[in-house]
Amino acid sequence: QVQLVESGGGLVKPGGSLRLSCAASGFTFSDYYMTWIRQAPGKGLEWVSYMSSSRSDINYADSVGGRFTISRDNAKNSLYLQMISLRAEDTAVYYCARGSYRWYDYWGQGTLVTVSS
Amino acid sequence: QSALTQPASVSGSPGQSITISCTGTSSDVGGYNYVSWYQQHPGKAPKLMIYDVSNRPSGVSNRFSGSKSGNTASLTISGVQAEDEADYYCSSYTSRNTVLFGGGTQLTVL
Repeated sequence: QVQLVESGGGLVKPGGSLRLSCAASGFTFSDYYMTWIRQAPGKGLEWVSYMSSSRSDINYADSVGGRFTISRDNAKNSLYLQMISLRAEDTAVYYCARGSYRWYDYWGQGTLVTVSS
Repeated sequence: QSALTQPASVSGSPGQSITISCTGTSSDVGGYNYVSWYQQHPGKAPKLMIYDVSNRPSGVSNRFSGSKSGNTASLTISGVQAEDEADYYCSSYTSRNTVLFGGGTQLTVL
């Protein structure tokens, strides 16, 4: 069965950095676009970034462009999100999801990132 | 870019039909048939309910249906049940090759 497991979240100071990981299993990872979506506490969903299977198609939300970098290792069935210059408003649960810009059919359980001094 | 516009809350009695709207612009909802809908129960990850405006994934009840007219997409739940009480989000592809979500709608089953 499809599984997505995020890790790497935690407490970080404003201006700090963090790298999230998403381990995928149960499907051919290298065949799919993958996406990061976040949800601030008590708020709605916000799309962050997607990457195609071949890494040729990448896009970011304006709110994270220039600070976040999405990447993947198809040999390790893993998706990553490198986050720098973190701000309080980046505090959220970060979900890894299978899919591009059309739909997201599988989601991980999320990892919480808290940006606070 | 601003989020797609959804009503903050809707409610209905068991067995009734309810509709949740999702309004965007011609650059997103109106311009592409790439609207999807998600159900989220408290503390859980979202679940795909509708994709490409009106398609239902395998395993999703046929009580859930989607449609679109102009810049507004809609999710209809026919014969709402207690287990349907959750938050619902729409999303759409945009002309900037990005994705927008709606602000979310809380469904209360009375």
